[in-house]
Amino acid sequence: AQKVTQAQTEISVVEKEDVTLDCVYETRDTTYYLFWYKQPPSGELVFLIRRNSFDEQNEISGRYSWNFQKSTSSFNFTITASQVVDSAVYFCALNRQAGNDMRFGAGTRLTVKP
Amino acid sequence: GAGVSQSPSNKVTEKGKDVELRCDPISGHTALYWYRQSLGQGLEFLIYFQGNSAPDKSGLPSDRFSAERTGGSVSTLTIQRTQQEDSAVYLCASSSPRGGFYNEQFFGPGTRLTVL
Repeated sequence: AQKVTQAQTEISVVEKEDVTLDCVYETRDTTYYLFWYKQPPSGELVFLIRRNSFDEQNEISGRYSWNFQKSTSSFNFTITASQVVDSAVYFCALNRQAGNDMRFGAGTRLTVKP
Repeated sequence: GAGVSQSPSNKVTEKGKDVELRCDPISGHTALYWYRQSLGQGLEFLIYFQGNSAPDKSGLPSDRFSAERTGGSVSTLTIQRTQQEDSAVYLCASSSPRGGFYNEQFFGPGTRLTVL
């Protein structure tokens, strides 16, 4: 069975603070894909990153960074020097290599206060 | 337009009525997905279309839900005899021909369905 857990329902930080959004997944597959999506107040989900299970290198894109650790089945997302525009709901998702079994976590609502 | 579009943006209906939700995927995207997002919840997979293959309907919650995709492009999600628990935002997404689920999905703005 596949499952994605985002234990943090809501996080509130002050602008310029760093914040880490946790994502823990469960799967029996050896090949799988992990994603992060952002859902701003406008409602439309925006793709942020995709990572396959064979690539454990951490990735940095501007103020965003992702830490993939297969040993702990985690794919955490860190925003450095947060900004008000980062306020959104962030979803972690898991998909198998084959089949159409994309599973999303419940999401973490991030509020960045000025 | 360049993105996925959905209509209507909002739909209010009475319990027991049928509703149809429409999705226009990005041109050239052969894969199309429907999800449901209940208030404060994550995304629940409903159905997946890929080209001319039979759709994956494994996520449809009941036989009141159905979807079709005409001409490999526009899709319609139909909910018959709506119930209050059907109230949610229904999201449509499409992805490129290169892959299946594991490729980036582009999401539409959603249709907010309210069943009174």
